[in-house]
Amino acid sequence: NAGVTQTPKFRVLKTGQSMTLLCAQDMNHEYMYWYRQDPGMGLRLIHYSVGEGTTAKGEVPDGYNVSRLKKQNFLLGLESAAPSQTSVYFCASSYSQGRLYGYTFGSGTRLTVV
Amino acid sequence: GNSVTQMEGPVTLSEEAFLTINCTYTATGYPSLFWYVQYPGEGLQLLLKATKADDKGSNKGFEATYRKETTSFHLEKGSVQVSDSAVYFCALSESGGYNKLIFGAGTRLAVHP
Repeated sequence: NAGVTQTPKFRVLKTGQSMTLLCAQDMNHEYMYWYRQDPGMGLRLIHYSVGEGTTAKGEVPDGYNVSRLKKQNFLLGLESAAPSQTSVYFCASSYSQGRLYGYTFGSGTRLTVV
Repeated sequence: GNSVTQMEGPVTLSEEAFLTINCTYTATGYPSLFWYVQYPGEGLQLLLKATKADDKGSNKGFEATYRKETTSFHLEKGSVQVSDSAVYFCALSESGGYNKLIFGAGTRLAVHP
């Protein structure tokens, strides 16, 4: 099925460890986004990319890095995990006119930092 | 800056009751408006959207009308089912920039038989 695939689905990290979340889409979308979801706060944008080789900061970028080496993949990295990064992470993608056609979300990665 | 405000939940209804979830927004220009639904343990699914003033989005019995004069995009359904139990997010996409989605906090709906 076409869509957005996130790996892993669950992960537990110790404080200070690093990890990379992978997002892959097969819809040839230009734009990709990483959000985090916390109770009572909706989804907040961490970083986004408007094309291969480009990235930009969103609302809550601190503590995260991203890369988009291939159009279909968008990686989110945590260099030194902190308990405040315990959250559910969602990746999304869209055409450049996402505001007209909508956005496709992955099923999420639940990350716990202890 | 741009923002979305939703009514706080949870909203608890009996099956076949009428549903309204209020959503208002603050934005410059002419944003697009969306409702997304998140079922337990799943990601977000697009429920409906509207891209200009007075547009009505509809899907699966849900409706919402883009009201620029009141900056609102309220979600309605005439008769809810137990299977509609989920979290509903209102969101806007800015008319300029890079189409970033800005979300409300979400409203949890619980429908009982």
